[in-house]
Amino acid sequence: KQEVTQIPAALSVPEGENLVLNCSFTDSAIYNLQWFRQDPGKGLTSLLLIQSSQREQTSGRLNASLDKSSGRSTLYIAASQPGDSATYLCAVRGGKAAGNKLTFGGGTRVLVKP
Amino acid sequence: ETGVTQTPRHLVMGMTNKKSLKCEQHLGHNAMYWYKQSAKKPLELMFVYSLEERVENNSVPSRFSPECPNSSHLFLHLHTLQPEDSALYLCASSPSLAGAYEQYFGPGTRLTVT
Repeated sequence: KQEVTQIPAALSVPEGENLVLNCSFTDSAIYNLQWFRQDPGKGLTSLLLIQSSQREQTSGRLNASLDKSSGRSTLYIAASQPGDSATYLCAVRGGKAAGNKLTFGGGTRVLVKP
Repeated sequence: ETGVTQTPRHLVMGMTNKKSLKCEQHLGHNAMYWYKQSAKKPLELMFVYSLEERVENNSVPSRFSPECPNSSHLFLHLHTLQPEDSALYLCASSPSLAGAYEQYFGPGTRLTVT
């Protein structure tokens, strides 16, 4: 059974510092990995999707890497801003044998202080 | 309206009430999902529908009853709920069940069972 872990559970940084968020998963037979942002009491906004054949994806200040063999992904957010404060979730999509399920980590709650 | 919408956004109900959550997607997708997000637990997949047929029931108690009358609408009928069912209920959709596609999430319904 796939398990996804995100460490740390919470992170507080001063504005301008780079953010590094970690995600690990136990079953490397994944289809893809997705990073989401969730603001308090709100739904999920997709940030980046990395297919299993890719090593990284970039969008603006965001960069996500994927090392499938070691079961790890890292989300980097450069030059953090107070508006980046949110909970960041990673989710892995299992293959057909796993019913194509999306399994979520518990999230990292980020606070960027002005 | 665009994307995935959910109504109501907030719901308070007693344990003997019957209520329904509604999800609508305006993206032309063929797969729809219900997720539950409780405090201090990762997002959990509840139900999956593809082309209006339920393809997954993730061991969800029968007090939760999904309905998908067409590919744009998904309902979650609730009856005789327990306080531990209080959570954020998120709906998502994707073009199909195929693993390569992203899931797009609605804003959620915050449910409180008293």
